[in-house]
Amino acid sequence: GDSVTQMEGPVTLSEEAFLTINCTYTATGYPSLFWYVQYPGEGLQLLLKATKADDKGSNKGFEATYRKETTSFHLEKGSVQVSDSAVYFCALLYNQGGKLIFGQGTELSVKP
Amino acid sequence: GAGVSQSPSNKVTEKGKDVELRCDPISGHTALYWYRQSLGQGLEFLIYFQGNSAPDKSGLPSDRFSAERTGGSVSTLTIQRTQQEDSAVYLCASSLNGGLREKLFFGSGTQLSVL
Repeated sequence: GDSVTQMEGPVTLSEEAFLTINCTYTATGYPSLFWYVQYPGEGLQLLLKATKADDKGSNKGFEATYRKETTSFHLEKGSVQVSDSAVYFCALLYNQGGKLIFGQGTELSVKP
Repeated sequence: GAGVSQSPSNKVTEKGKDVELRCDPISGHTALYWYRQSLGQGLEFLIYFQGNSAPDKSGLPSDRFSAERTGGSVSTLTIQRTQQEDSAVYLCASSLNGGLREKLFFGSGTQLSVL
């Protein structure tokens, strides 16, 4: 069945370091791919998305490119800030009903 | 309201008791979803309501779990005879029409602890 696998956390970085959180998926057909972020004490919110192969989603300095050949959607940011500390979830859209399949989440902690 | 509202924010219960979790979606949103986030498990789809259509219950883990959506707005997720493995954060989300590219808006969740 469809699934999403993320790199294990927690990830601890110093401020201004480069961030990569790996995400790979298995799916039938061509799903849309998403990154969601959950800041401490807050609800989940959409960070970025890509709806077809080779699309690049970007928001708040974060980027991810939909790679069909490697079935990946890795999240990157060139220079992280303390305020980026959160849990990041990779997800794919299972069907038209918006039934998302999520990865297990990766906790990011950025130290000053 | 301005966003998706869930209550209570925290619930501690004893094993074997029933619990009810409430979700108030964004006004006018016809699609409503329940997800569960267990420690180390990631987010798990539970159930999906779209307008007056029969709900998609394919993610409910057992018959102890049920959900209703009255009047196409507020939804209640009920867990009967709670077990310790039910401990998780239960998240509700809504979208305008449940369309393929629509943004989901999530509530802050209900942290359920079963002792």
